Amino acid sequence: EAGVAQSPRYKIIEKRQSVAFWCNPISGHATLYWYQQILGQGPKLLIQFQNNGVVDDSQLPKDRFSAERLKGVDSTLKIQPAKLEDSAVYLCASSLRGSGRHNEQFFGPGTRLTVL
Amino acid sequence: TQLLEQSPQFLSIQEGENLTVYCNSSSVFSSLQWYRQEPGEGPVLLVTVVTGGEVKKLKRLTFQFGDARKDSSLHITAAQPGDTGLYLCAGAEAGGTSYGKLTFGQGTILTVHP
Repeated sequence: EAGVAQSPRYKIIEKRQSVAFWCNPISGHATLYWYQQILGQGPKLLIQFQNNGVVDDSQLPKDRFSAERLKGVDSTLKIQPAKLEDSAVYLCASSLRGSGRHNEQFFGPGTRLTVL
Repeated sequence: TQLLEQSPQFLSIQEGENLTVYCNSSSVFSSLQWYRQEPGEGPVLLVTVVTGGEVKKLKRLTFQFGDARKDSSLHITAAQPGDTGLYLCAGAEAGGTSYGKLTFGQGTILTVHP
């Protein structure tokens, strides 16, 4: 079974530029998550999709970050314009259901973003 | 927002030693998961503990969920260099509209020297 795919793996941009990340979840997984992981910290949830609807985006900085999952499969996360503090690893994860006590999430390898 | 405190933040030991990582919160979780993350990769699920007081073993790793479902520990016996990595605990929220939402601890970076 193929895992969660993410691209690109690395991205270096200058502040105020735009960047987009792509994620393809495990086939059949209804729920997709985007996390931000700053060096030395655990992942922080940015947004959760259930199929193509947003379940939780309470910690997404909506003035600069946007995400979509138009057909309920793959997803794109965009930052526009980027700030220095956005330097982090952006992880995509998927799960079968998205709720319940087990809620096992499968993570992609992440995109390491460096903002100069 | 529920918080998970992990300790220690860094652990550097010799091969063959034992170690314990702790994950504590003032909140109750419906379950608690432990992940291991290697450099350049995403976290990989090791185990999920669900019942208060539950103990699960995975080879040399022993996971325990506190009786009140607020804390957990990971114990590694006879650590090996291959155990090196970032260990993350994550609690699944117990109810409400966020049921199942994961909150991650800040992680423990483990280095096992040969």
